[in-house]
Amino acid sequence: SQQGEEDPQALSIQEGENATMNCSYKTSINNLQWYRQNSGRGLVHLILIRSNEREKHSGRLRVTLDTSKKSSSLLITASRAADTASYFCATDTIQGAQKLVFGQGTRLTINP
Amino acid sequence: DSGVTQTPKHLITATGQRVTLRCSPRSGDLSVYWYQQSLDQGLQFLIHYYNGEERAKGNILERFSAQQFPDLHSELNLSSLELGDSALYFCASGQAGGRNEQFFGPGTRLTVL
Repeated sequence: SQQGEEDPQALSIQEGENATMNCSYKTSINNLQWYRQNSGRGLVHLILIRSNEREKHSGRLRVTLDTSKKSSSLLITASRAADTASYFCATDTIQGAQKLVFGQGTRLTINP
Repeated sequence: DSGVTQTPKHLITATGQRVTLRCSPRSGDLSVYWYQQSLDQGLQFLIHYYNGEERAKGNILERFSAQQFPDLHSELNLSSLELGDSALYFCASGQAGGRNEQFFGPGTRLTVL
């Protein structure tokens, strides 16, 4: 079963705009990670945020985590055509023996 | 490039057959995880090995098995294949422990005809 749910399922924006994707989860977590997947290819690790952290930055990426609401957001600033991909959040739970539980993903399209 | 390698990239086979997928983890990683990605089920955890020992099982069918060898590479064996086994199979590796960052290989696309 899926732990996380991404919102929206699909997002289409113009190049240069910011893109925000949200992820909600159900049970207490150790960490939350975001991954990118280009069409049918491997998952690229983007960023990890621990349960005791509220915000992290990596280049044009900003991730927030609100454990009280069991939600996270991924912000991509100044989007580029190369950012077109599916984005997944993945959580590992305190009871979860380190397996990652993925959401269904957000399909992001950047229009030139 | 994550440093995780998987072979083969593509595999086409018939129902009832058996296949073996291979994964080599990043240098230094002791943990190997297998995941299945299908259109209807999304990304699902199958199994976790740490330094040769099975640590956790997820939604892995009895027809599927895996092992991790002394050199830390891992193999996922899928037998009595069914049409519904067609999917992308990913291997990930990591250090295990608190951060649990997992780095994914490029995947093996399995098509069962």
